[in-house]
Formats: sequence, structure tokens, C-alpha cells
Amino acid sequence: DTGVSQDPRHKITKRGQNVTFRCDPISEHNRLYWYRQTLGQGPEFLTYFQNEAQLEKSRLLSDRFSAERPKGSFSTLEIQRTEQGDSAMYLCASSLALGQAYEQYFGPGTRLTVT
Amino acid sequence: GQQVMQIPQYQHVQEGEDFTTYCNSSTTLSNIQWYKQRPGGHPVFLIQLVKSGEVKKQKRLTFQFGEAKKNSSLHITATQTTDVGTYFCAVRPRTGGFKTIFGAGTRLFVKA
Repeated sequence: DTGVSQDPRHKITKRGQNVTFRCDPISEHNRLYWYRQTLGQGPEFLTYFQNEAQLEKSRLLSDRFSAERPKGSFSTLEIQRTEQGDSAMYLCASSLALGQAYEQYFGPGTRLTVT
Repeated sequence: GQQVMQIPQYQHVQEGEDFTTYCNSSTTLSNIQWYKQRPGGHPVFLIQLVKSGEVKKQKRLTFQFGEAKKNSSLHITATQTTDVGTYFCAVRPRTGGFKTIFGAGTRLFVKA
């Protein structure tokens, strides 16, 4: 399968714990996005990488969230000191920089439940 | 900041009826994308519109970009049960960058 993959698919954690999610984009894609989606809402932008550089980060993102993309390949999203409000689906997407085109290919997501 | 409004929030149709969802922006857009998310699934790219007044068709789906590039619509002719899901529009701010802003989506229910 050459699509975007995410691991784990589900994560249940207790409030205050740290969690880390991984995203493996489509291999030739140089752009990678992280989104958060809650029930009944559209994906909410968290951050964006072009290759290994983190170029944009949502102002809604607290300091508890950090993302990396070492070597411009896979990416990790870490949430420190989780809160119940962090419960959501975390989606990763990748795209290929090609002029104005930026269609994004989404992974299956990681569903986080904070108890 | 950039926002997009989608209407309606929900739509129930009988199989065979038509369906339309609208996406509206208060500012002029450089382009707009549409995605579909099946229940329990992830968003899947449908199309990107760039030109003022552009109309594109994919089988029973017709996508339009307004002349002022502030609104867009997705029309499905003769809905089928396979059309069930949530349809999102997505835009990028004209200030540049690649942050993508999604609308809240229109959820389509199709009754057989």
C-alpha cells in the first residue's frame, strides 16, 4: 500500500500523560500536514511541513503540541500533559508541491481518547 | 482570519433526488478544493477549482466556482446510496502559505 499511514490507529490515555503519533506520507510527497478533527467538524489545521522544515503552525496550538519531520520523511506529533479536550481524531495528510496544485492525501487517522 | 461557511449542515434525500452544497467565503479565494469523507473514513480529494466561473464535472458531480471567486457549489445529480458522507470545501488564505482551512461540511444522507 503506497498511501499515507498513521500509527497507532487508536490511543487511550489518562489525563496528564504524553502521547506521540507517527505519520508516514506517500514517499515522493514533500509536504506534510497535521489536522485535528472532532465529531461534526471539518479538519482543523495544526501544522505544515515542507520537507523537514515546519513552515506553519496554528496559533490555536498550545505549547503542549510539538511536531517534527526529521529528514523530511515520516513525521511525529507529540502531545504533552494531555487534557480531555485533546480527545479527537488526528489526521495526517501529504501532498506534492506542483505549482498551484496541492491536493492532499489523508491517512486513516489516530483516534485519541483522554480519560 | 480566513473562514468558509458551508450550507446546509445536513441534507436528507431520497435516492434519485439531486443534492447541492454551497461554500461561501467573505474574501476572494485563489482556489478551492472539495473533499468527501465517508462515515468512519478519512477525507478524500475530489477536485480543485482555480478559475473564475469554472465548472468541472465528474460523472454525476458538478463543481462550480463563482465569478467573484467567493463561493463554490457541488451538485450531485440523481443521488445514490454510495454518495453518503460529508462533503467539505477547503481553501487557502490569499496571504500565501499552505495552511488549509476546511469548512464544517455538509453531511448527506441518502434513503434507498
